[in-house]
Amino acid sequence: EADIYQTPRYLVIGTGKKITLECSQTMGHDKMYWYQQDPGMELHLIHYSYGVNSTEKGDLSSESTVSRIRTEHFPLTLESARPSHTSQYLCASSGLGPTKQYFGPGTRLTVT
Amino acid sequence: GESVGLHLPTLSVQEGDNSIINCAYSNSASDYFIWYKQESGKGPQFIIDIRSNMDKRQGQRVTVLLNKTVKHLSLQIAATQPGDSAVYFCAENIHNDYKLSFGAGTTVTVRA
Repeated sequence: EADIYQTPRYLVIGTGKKITLECSQTMGHDKMYWYQQDPGMELHLIHYSYGVNSTEKGDLSSESTVSRIRTEHFPLTLESARPSHTSQYLCASSGLGPTKQYFGPGTRLTVT
Repeated sequence: GESVGLHLPTLSVQEGDNSIINCAYSNSASDYFIWYKQESGKGPQFIIDIRSNMDKRQGQRVTVLLNKTVKHLSLQIAATQPGDSAVYFCAENIHNDYKLSFGAGTTVTVRA
C-alpha cells in the first residue's frame, strides 16, 4: 500500500465557497500530481510538481491552484467553487522512473 | 485529444477464464505504455508497464503485449479472479517525461 493520503474523502459545498483539498505522502517522492476524474472516465492531469516551489499546469485547464512548500504536501485550492467543479480529484506521487505513480483514495467533491 | 483509448468500455468474464483488455494508441513517440487498475472507491494502482522497444512483458498472472505495427496494446489476465473486478486504464508516457496520459477505462466484471 502506498503512503499517500487525501482529505477530505467526500465534500459537499455550496457555490462560491473556497475549498482546499489536502494531499500528503510519506515516501519522500519529489514528483506529485493532481488529476480530475469523472465517474468511470479517464484521468485528466490538472497540476503537477517536480519538487518544492515547482508547480505546473497539466493538460486539462483548471481554475484550481496548487502549492508545493514542503516535499510531502501538495494542496489544491479552489477560490470560488462552482457546480462545474463537481468531480473526483485524485492526488498521486512518484519517485524514480517515469511510469509508476502512487495514488491516494481521492476526494469526491460536490458543489451545489 | 486523447492519444490512448480502449476498445470496449465493459468486459464480463467467467471466473477462472482468461481476460483480454485492449487499448489503441496513436502517438508513435510514446516511450512507455502502462496499465493501471482502479477498484471501486480507490485510486488507480500500477499493474505493469512495457517499454516501446519491447513486444511482450509478463508479470504475476498478467501479460502485456505491444503491437507497434497497428498501435495496439493489450493486457491479459490469466485465471481471472473476483478480485480482478475493477476498471482498467492504459496510459502512456511520452519522451520519458514523468507525466502520464490516460485513456478511457474498461470495466471488468468477474462472474462467479
